[in-house]
Amino acid sequence: RKEVEQDPGPFNVPEGATVAFNCTYSNSASQSFFWYRQDCRKEPKLLMSVYSSGNEDGRFTAQLNRASQYISLLIRDSKLSDSATYLCVVSNYNQGGKLIFGQGTELSVKP
Amino acid sequence: DAGVIQSPRHEVTEMGQEVTLRCKPISGHDYLFWYRQTMMRGLELLIYFNNNVPIDDSGMPEDRFSAKMPNASFSTLKIQPSEPRDSAVYFCASSFDRPGELFFGEGSRLTVL
Repeated sequence: RKEVEQDPGPFNVPEGATVAFNCTYSNSASQSFFWYRQDCRKEPKLLMSVYSSGNEDGRFTAQLNRASQYISLLIRDSKLSDSATYLCVVSNYNQGGKLIFGQGTELSVKP
Repeated sequence: DAGVIQSPRHEVTEMGQEVTLRCKPISGHDYLFWYRQTMMRGLELLIYFNNNVPIDDSGMPEDRFSAKMPNASFSTLKIQPSEPRDSAVYFCASSFDRPGELFFGEGSRLTVL
């Protein structure tokens, strides 16, 4: 079983739609959580950190459920420019804090 | 400000040849990571350094792979001999803190024929 699992998609949604991505992690000792975004043939870039109480950054909302070992990302009012692959990332201090990436969920926003 | 710089951006080589990928991290970052990305396996951590010292190389696939960081501003990932299954995009990333935000280079796209 992979340490971090995501639905690969692709998710095809119209502009203005709300879309949610889910991610599960297997290591209960995981302590830090992030969402990264990767555009086609580009490098990954940090989108947002995920905090225990949940956090919001504009149209993006991240949630963490430690009991279920589950992370989510919600994108409201999606834009064409949101089209990318979204990577769920988990870190465990017992593993030296290295970041473990999920395979990513591909999002395509259509006009 | 300069980000993480990788070279070469693209490399095409034949099986059995030696490949050297280079990385210059962001100045002041204490952590340097080498990742490999393929369609099948996604982003895999190969090795990471803290203050130029290798901390975890458990992701290095086999002895054909080696990585060095002789100083704070330079690292290499070497594959010798290369094989077709090594074809991938190799990313170098650096961070100031652990786990912190990773800043990736643009990647080195390797094709082994």
